[in-house]
Amino acid sequence: DGGITQSPKYLFRKEGQNVTLSCEQNLNHDAMYWYRQDPGQGLRLIYYSQIVNDFQKGDIAEGYSVSREKKESFPLTVTSAQKNPTAFYLCASAPGETTNEKLFFGSGTQLSVL
Amino acid sequence: AQSVTQLGSHVSVSEGALVLLRCNYSSSVPPYLFWYVQYPNQGLQLLLKYTSAATLVKGINGFEAEFKKSETSFHLTKPSAHMSDAAEYFCAVSANDYKLSFGAGTTVTVRA
Repeated sequence: DGGITQSPKYLFRKEGQNVTLSCEQNLNHDAMYWYRQDPGQGLRLIYYSQIVNDFQKGDIAEGYSVSREKKESFPLTVTSAQKNPTAFYLCASAPGETTNEKLFFGSGTQLSVL
Repeated sequence: AQSVTQLGSHVSVSEGALVLLRCNYSSSVPPYLFWYVQYPNQGLQLLLKYTSAATLVKGINGFEAEFKKSETSFHLTKPSAHMSDAAEYFCAVSANDYKLSFGAGTTVTVRA
C-alpha cells in the first residue's frame, strides 16, 4: 500500500536532548511538509521541501532542523533549542510543487518532554 | 499572505441534524480552499477542495462547501449528522505559494 509512515508513534525527550522524527513516503511525491499541532491552534508549518536537497523554513522553524537527501525521506530533528517541544507532529506530502494539490498525511508522532 | 478563521472551536449537534462549520479566509490572490477531517490520534484526510471550477463543492461522506467570494467564506455543511462524523475539522487556504495555512480547527460532537 502506498502512503506516509511516521515513526515512532510516541517519543519522549529529556532536557537538552535532540530527537529525530522519521517520515517516509512511497507515493513518489516531490513535496513534503512538517506541521506541528497544538490543541486549539491548528497546524503550523515548520519546514517544507519541494525537491530533493532543498527545503525552506515555515512559520515556526526555530529549534528544528530537517534534511532531504532522498525523495522518499524527510526527517525532522527537534533540537535542544526548542524549549516547548511537546506537541503532535504531522508529516505530509503532495504530488506537485503547488499546494492546489491535496496533502497526504502520516498518522503523526506525539512528542513529550520527560 | 493568506489565513483562515474558523468560527467556533466546538460544535455539538444531534444525530440527524444539520452540521454547519464556518470558515472565513483572507488571501491577496484567488485562493485554493480545503476542508480536512482528523480522527483522534490520526493524520488529516481531505474532505473536499475548491479550485475555482465550481462554487459548490461536494466531498466525501456527504459533506459539501460553498465558496462565496463576496463574503470570503467557505462554510462546510452536511444535511444529516451521523455518529461517525464526530471528529476535528480544519479549513485551509493556499495562495499557490507552496504553503497551506490551516485554521485552528472545530471539534464536532454528535449527540445520540
